[in-house]
Parts: sequence; structure tokens; C-alpha cells
Amino acid sequence: AQSVSQHNHHVILSEAASLELGCNYSYGGTVNLFWYVQYPGQHLQLLLKYFSGDPLVKGIKGFEAEFIKSKFSFNLRKPSVQWSDTAEYFCAVKQGNVPPSGGGADGLTFGKGTHLIIQP
Amino acid sequence: KAGVTQTPRYLIKTRGQQVTLSCSPISGHRSVSWYQQTPGQGLQFLFEYFSETQRNKGNFPGRFSGRQFSNSRSEMNVSTLELGDSALYLCASSRLGGVAPETQYFGPGTRLLVL
Repeated sequence: AQSVSQHNHHVILSEAASLELGCNYSYGGTVNLFWYVQYPGQHLQLLLKYFSGDPLVKGIKGFEAEFIKSKFSFNLRKPSVQWSDTAEYFCAVKQGNVPPSGGGADGLTFGKGTHLIIQP
Repeated sequence: KAGVTQTPRYLIKTRGQQVTLSCSPISGHRSVSWYQQTPGQGLQFLFEYFSETQRNKGNFPGRFSGRQFSNSRSEMNVSTLELGDSALYLCASSRLGGVAPETQYFGPGTRLLVL
């Protein structure tokens, strides 16, 4: 079964600091990659996604992520964080080109999340 | 376009009871997936429905079941509730699901507390 690892469970930064959240996955085939964010009291929202093409993808609110296939990584970055970026961040992976098996777990596999706190 | 809606938002049950949660996908979306979110295990895939058929299933006991109706609305049922079933249950919808590289859009969740 595939797994997703997020290296930092809690990150505390000051406003204007740069951010990088690590994400590594275990599946060696074609993958669809996502970063979701959960702001306090709100539901999961998509930050950005990678399906194919340019491995550097840009998302909402100034976030970007780079897919490095050789490292099985999809790290999230933001050059200058704001207080409003305080939230829980989840990396998620879905196997691509896998026909629905009816028996396997072919949904999104999530990392455990990174709780990001931005201090004003 | 309205987002994914889930009802009820909060629920308190006691051990041994059963519970049914409801999810209405985004209009035009035919795939509905369910996830369980707990502090210890994080977000875990329960199952996916498409065209009223369960297409994929995660590693959960048979007490967890679901169904999908012809209008793509989905329900999830948990029978014989255990304390460990206390969690936030999230529903996500997408147009096609399955192998299609597409985004799943999540609802606000139903927070279930089992006493």
C-alpha cells in the first residue's frame, strides 16, 4: 500500500519568513499529487495539484510546489508567509492510471498533516 | 455553484447504536468518496461510489457501509458504534473519480462523538 510522509508535524514561523513543507510518497508509478489546507473551523480546500507536465505548479495564495519524481517528493513552498496562513496542511497522493479495482484502496492517501502557526 | 454539503454537522451517539450520515455532491459530480479524520490516524479513505456502485473500498470493517442514489447523493452508515468511531467524517465529490486525474472537493464534515 502506498504511504505519504510529511516530515514536520508542527511548524512555527514569523510573518514574512519563507516556508517549505516536505512531502514524500512511496508509490513508484504514475501519481496525482495534491496539497490541501484546512483553516481553523473550515473545511479542506485545495491549494494546488500536479497531474502531469511542468513539475513546478503554482496554487492559490502564493503557494507553489515542485514534483521531483526521482525523490518521490512534492514539497510545498511559499516565499513569504502571512498570519492568515496559519492552518493544517495535508499532502495527498492518488495512484494514476489504475483502473478501479472494486477491492483496493484507490482513494486519496493523505499524510498526517503539518500544523503551521504564523506568529505576527 | 454550491459546494459539497453534509448533514448533520454534529452527532452524538452511544456505543452499540448505528448512525447514518448524508452527503450531497457538487452538481454534476458523479463520484462521492468518504474519509474518516481522527487525531491519531489522520485522514483515511473509507470508500468511493460512482453511479450507485461502490467502486473502491479502504481498509475498514464491514460495520462501515454506504450507498449512492440516482441523484449522486450518498449516505454512509456505521453500525454497532464503538468509541473509536468518534471522528470527523468527510465527504468529497468529483466529476468522474476512478482513474481520472481530477480534484476531489470536500464538504465541511460530520463530527461524530460516540459515548
